[in-house]
Amino acid sequence: NAGVMQNPRHLVRRRGQEARLRCSPMKGHSHVYWYRQLPEEGLKFMVYLQKENIIDESGMPKERFSAEFPKEGPSILRIQQVVRGDSAAYFCASSPDDRLNEQFFGPGTRLTVL
Amino acid sequence: GESVGLHLPTLSVQEGDNSIINCAYSNSASDYFIWYKQESGKGPQFIIDIRSNMDKRQGQRVTVLLNKTVKHLSLQIAATQPGDSAVYFCAVPYSGGGADGLTFGKGTHLIIQP
Repeated sequence: NAGVMQNPRHLVRRRGQEARLRCSPMKGHSHVYWYRQLPEEGLKFMVYLQKENIIDESGMPKERFSAEFPKEGPSILRIQQVVRGDSAAYFCASSPDDRLNEQFFGPGTRLTVL
Repeated sequence: GESVGLHLPTLSVQEGDNSIINCAYSNSASDYFIWYKQESGKGPQFIIDIRSNMDKRQGQRVTVLLNKTVKHLSLQIAATQPGDSAVYFCAVPYSGGGADGLTFGKGTHLIIQP
């Protein structure tokens, strides 16, 4: 049973470009969470999604950031017009219906904005 | 919202000794607590969890203690090994309970001395 998959593992973008981060949850998991981690810090919750629904996006910046989890395919975290302050590690986690609080994390995508 | 804090950013112990990592939380309504381990360049890995109706829970070489009176929890690792070197985070559900994003503390970097 494969774990949570994230790609790319490393992403370099120039200021003003778009970044697209992908997350495939564990098989059978329909709950996806995105977190951001700055160096030497803990993870900060951004958004919680179920298939085709955003449940809680209270941790996500109102501008430039968006997330989706379509019926088919991976969840996508999209950052438009990236700035240097967006440089961070972005982690995705998933959980099953019957153990909602048990979140399993992917290896993360390290975004560097030049 | 919830806030979670750790007492020590770095803890250095001798291989074979026991280590204790502490964490404080702010929301007295929190009913679920998790400890994660994060190795360099990887996503957080679930270690052990505890619900608020318990004071203590044991796993393999790890014990979590919960003191709801002072809103404090600790992770004890017995007979530390080199593979225990990592950053350890405590986490609580974002809004105190239920299916939700997690609030993470800043982390304690556990260093194992040979």
